[in-house]
Amino acid sequence: AQTVTQSQPEMSVQEAETVTLSCTYDTSESDYYLFWYKQPPSRQMILVIRQEAYKQQNATENRFSVNFQKAAKSFSLKISDSQLGDAAMYFCAYRVNFGNEKLTFGTGTRLTIIP
Amino acid sequence: DVKVTQSSRYLVKRTGEKVFLECVQDMDHENMFWYRQDPGLGLRLIYFSYDVKMKEKGDIPEGYSVSREKKERFSLILESASTNQTSMYLCASSLSASGSSYEQYFGPGTRLTVT
Repeated sequence: AQTVTQSQPEMSVQEAETVTLSCTYDTSESDYYLFWYKQPPSRQMILVIRQEAYKQQNATENRFSVNFQKAAKSFSLKISDSQLGDAAMYFCAYRVNFGNEKLTFGTGTRLTIIP
Repeated sequence: DVKVTQSSRYLVKRTGEKVFLECVQDMDHENMFWYRQDPGLGLRLIYFSYDVKMKEKGDIPEGYSVSREKKERFSLILESASTNQTSMYLCASSLSASGSSYEQYFGPGTRLTVT
């Protein structure tokens, strides 16, 4: 069975600094997707960034980028120029490409932004 | 914009009551999901549905059932609520296309307390 591990329950960063959230996963599949979702306090979960496993290039969305290491089964999220609005729970998630559309989530990392 | 709505933000029920949680999406998505979110455990899939009247068990289906009579609506039913079902319940929906990484869109969540 696929598992997703986030080993940092809480992280904090100074405003305008850079922070990296870690995620590792375990799978025997070769074709899959990885996601980072953000859940702000009392607000809906939204997708931050996604990565297709077959793509070697790391995904980037504005201040958010990933470091995808397929052999190491590692998928970290880097947030540059942290802003107060980045404070949230961040969840890493995995989905196999073909077959069912089920997402497997990690346990989450709570990110605090220090003004 | 995709909208996923849930019938209640907060709900308090007594042990043994039958509880209905409703979820509606307005973007004609084929897939719908019910998760429960608990601190330190992340999101765990209860049930999902890939078509009207179709359902599949997720990772923790015990004590729950679901109903999908219309494409836009997916209901989660607690036949006899118990205190260990006190949790945040999240509904999500997504398009379905084999080989595509369509994201899941989440509702705001229902915080259920069973006393």
